[in-house]
Amino acid sequence: DAKTTQPPSMDCAEGRAANLPCNHSTISGNEYVYWYRQIHSQGPQYIIHGLKNNETNEMASLIITEDRKSSTLILPHATLRDTAVYYCIEVSQGAQKLVFGQGTRLTINP
Amino acid sequence: EAGVAQSPRYKIIEKRQSVAFWCNPISGHATLYWYQQILGQGPKLLIQFQNNGVVDDSQLPKDRFSAERLKGVDSTLKIQPAKLEDSAVYLCASSFAGGLTDTQYFGPGTRLTVL
Repeated sequence: DAKTTQPPSMDCAEGRAANLPCNHSTISGNEYVYWYRQIHSQGPQYIIHGLKNNETNEMASLIITEDRKSSTLILPHATLRDTAVYYCIEVSQGAQKLVFGQGTRLTINP
Repeated sequence: EAGVAQSPRYKIIEKRQSVAFWCNPISGHATLYWYQQILGQGPKLLIQFQNNGVVDDSQLPKDRFSAERLKGVDSTLKIQPAKLEDSAVYLCASSFAGGLTDTQYFGPGTRLTVL
């Protein structure tokens, strides 16, 4: 079973920042936080991952709290194409296994 | 770079029939995964290959599901006989070496409907 908790759905206005929270209160020291998203009728797509430090790439930013019990994925300027289900996943070092939960269905509104 | 290819994209069969899905991973990717995604749920790993060997098949219903990756490249997943509850999208993914920070790249999936 997935060990992370995410809100089932969120809405965001186009052009605004979308902030998607994730709770992973039982995360252990060697577990990474990965984010994937799944656009309708497509396979999941990798977004970003992190261990302790905040991370940023061309798609998003990942903010991890100091105690590592929660994180926030930030899409800085959301577009309609960002409408998707977003999955926050704990990945154990060496496990290679993705255990998907229900994710957050993000809807970007014009 | 070509992505993960899967075929067919859609398949409709009757219960108790058999069906096979094909996956061609990204060139050079040693690790291949098959996932099952039931409507409204996240994908669930069925089996993971490293080259042509099975790494994890703990979630594969082995009485009816089988998978192979004979030459360590493309793979087939078979269901025989199919049940109504097998209706789902079957996703194939691959990664370079299956290491901790290896990104998994997913194909578009095969949508199976069992009547």
